[in-house]
Amino acid sequence: AQTVTQSQPEMSVQEAETVTLSCTYDTSESDYYLFWYKQPPSRQMILVIRQEAYKQQNATENRFSVNFQKAAKSFSLKISDSQLGDAAMYFCAYRSGNFGNEKLTFGTGTRLTIIP
Amino acid sequence: DTAVSQTPKYLVTQMGNDKSIKCEQNLGHDTMYWYKQDSKKFLKIMFSYNNKELIINETVPNRFSPKSPDKAHLNLHINSLELGDSAVYFCASSQAKNIQYFGAGTRLSVL
Repeated sequence: AQTVTQSQPEMSVQEAETVTLSCTYDTSESDYYLFWYKQPPSRQMILVIRQEAYKQQNATENRFSVNFQKAAKSFSLKISDSQLGDAAMYFCAYRSGNFGNEKLTFGTGTRLTIIP
Repeated sequence: DTAVSQTPKYLVTQMGNDKSIKCEQNLGHDTMYWYKQDSKKFLKIMFSYNNKELIINETVPNRFSPKSPDKAHLNLHINSLELGDSAVYFCASSQAKNIQYFGAGTRLSVL
């Protein structure tokens, strides 16, 4: 079974600074996808960024980028120029590439606080 | 237009009651899911359906019964509610291997 570990229950960052959230995962599969989801106080789950395991290039979405280290099974999220609206719970998630097993397996989350 | 909509957003009920949560998606996706988020914010898959067929059932008590009348709807019925069922329940949908889109969640409180 796949597992996802987020070792930082809480993080804080000064507004406009950069912060990195850690995520490691364990799998024996070769075809899979990794995600970061954001959950603000409104509790809506919002996709931040996605990485396909077969792609060597790290995904980026505006101020959000990942450091995907496949051999180390590490998938960290970097938020640049942090804004107050970035305050939320961040969940790392794994999804198998096998048909019939498209469930998301989530880490325990990191609560990110932005300091004005 | 809301892509994945759940009703109700809040549900407060007594132990032992039966309740349902409805989910509808207008994205044309063929796979729908139910996730449970507990009080510690941990999210875990409960069920997934593909074209109305049950694909994943993750050791959920028999009191929970999903129903998919068509591929745009996946409802969750819960019998004999227990205190431990209190949680936020999320519906999601996706097309094949693509991104899962989540509903806004239903906060269930069992008293």
